[in-house]
This record gives sequence, structure tokens and C-alpha cells, in this order.
Amino acid sequence: AQRVTQPEKLLSVFKGAPVELKCNYSYSGSPELFWYVQYSRQRLQLLLRHISRESIKGFTADLNKGETSFHLKKPFAQEEDSAMYYCALSPLTQGGSEKLVFGKGTKLTVNP
Amino acid sequence: DAGITQSPRYKITETGRQVTLMCHQTWSHSYMFWYRQDLGHGLRLIYYSAAADITDKGEVPDGYVVSRSKTENFPLTLESATRSQTSVYFCASSDRRGSYEQYFGPGTRLTVT
Repeated sequence: AQRVTQPEKLLSVFKGAPVELKCNYSYSGSPELFWYVQYSRQRLQLLLRHISRESIKGFTADLNKGETSFHLKKPFAQEEDSAMYYCALSPLTQGGSEKLVFGKGTKLTVNP
Repeated sequence: DAGITQSPRYKITETGRQVTLMCHQTWSHSYMFWYRQDLGHGLRLIYYSAAADITDKGEVPDGYVVSRSKTENFPLTLESATRSQTSVYFCASSDRRGSYEQYFGPGTRLTVT
């Protein structure tokens, strides 16, 4: 069974400090991993996906298959980064699977 | 972004009542999903649909019914609402030809009294 673990429910940092939101997954195959973000009073939206290897809003995430992790990092946090962050996994199976398995989320607060 | 909409946005109902939450998308996406969002549980999949007339259970389907007679609509019905179904409900859609990204609606906050 697939499982996504985000060990921190709450994370608080100061503006300008580095931030890392942890995500570990459990899946025997090759997953596709995502980070979704939900800003206050906005809908959930995709932040980034591992397959793109891109940086969005200064955030990056590297898939570490050995440690089964997909931590989200930003070197200098901004107040507008305050939001709820969800790590999600989509199992890549033959024929494709559109389902996403979400972690429980980490609420990031960036203090001035 | 009006591509995927949900109605109503807020709903208060009584225990035992039937209530239907609507979801509509304009992208002709094949896949549609219903999630509930609860503190401490994150997002949990209730039901999903791969195409019109094809639906399947997710992680927490009990007490819910779905249908998909048209590609663009995916209503979620609580047959007899319970207090434990008080939650925020999100609908999402996905294009199979893409990279499995899901696009979310604004959510419906449901309170069962």
C-alpha cells in the first residue's frame, strides 16, 4: 500500500531563514511525487512535481529513492510562503493511475 | 480560474438529511475525484471516476454515493448525513494525457448539526 508521511504538522520559521518541509513515502514501485500548496482562502494547487525538476517560487524538491524522501526546501523563506503544504504520491503503474495519495499536511508559518 | 467549480460553497444540514454537493468542470478531463479535508487527516479520497459511468471507491467511501452521467459533472451525495461528515469537501479533475496533476475546486464547507 502507498503511504505518504509528513512528520511535522506545524512548522514556524522567520523570514529569510531556510525552510525544509519533510516528506517520506512508502511504495514498492516508481512513484511520481508532488507538492501541493493551499494558501489562505485559496484552492489547493500544484507547487511542483519531481519529474519536472523545476524550481517554483524558490522552492525545490529532490526525490531520494534510497531514503524514500521528497523534502521541499527553500533557502530564504518569505512571509507569503505561509500556507498549508501537502506532499502527494501517484503510483506509476502500467496503464497509469490517476489517484493521488496525500500526506496529512504541514502548516508553514513564516514570521516577520 | 473557473475551470472547476463546486456548489454550494457552504452548507449546513441536519443529521439524517440527504445532501448533494455538485462539481462541474469545463476542461473535459477524464478523471474526477472527491476528497474530504479534516484536521489531522489531511486529504482523503472518497470516490473517483475515470470517465462517464465509471466510478470507484477511494479510502473513505462509506456514507457517500456518486454518479457521473456526464463527463463534466460529478455530484457527491450524502444519503443520510452524520456529524462525522462535517468537513470541507474538494472536487478535483485530471487529464490522463498529462502528468497526473490534479486541478482542485474551491471546496464546499459542510456542517452537519
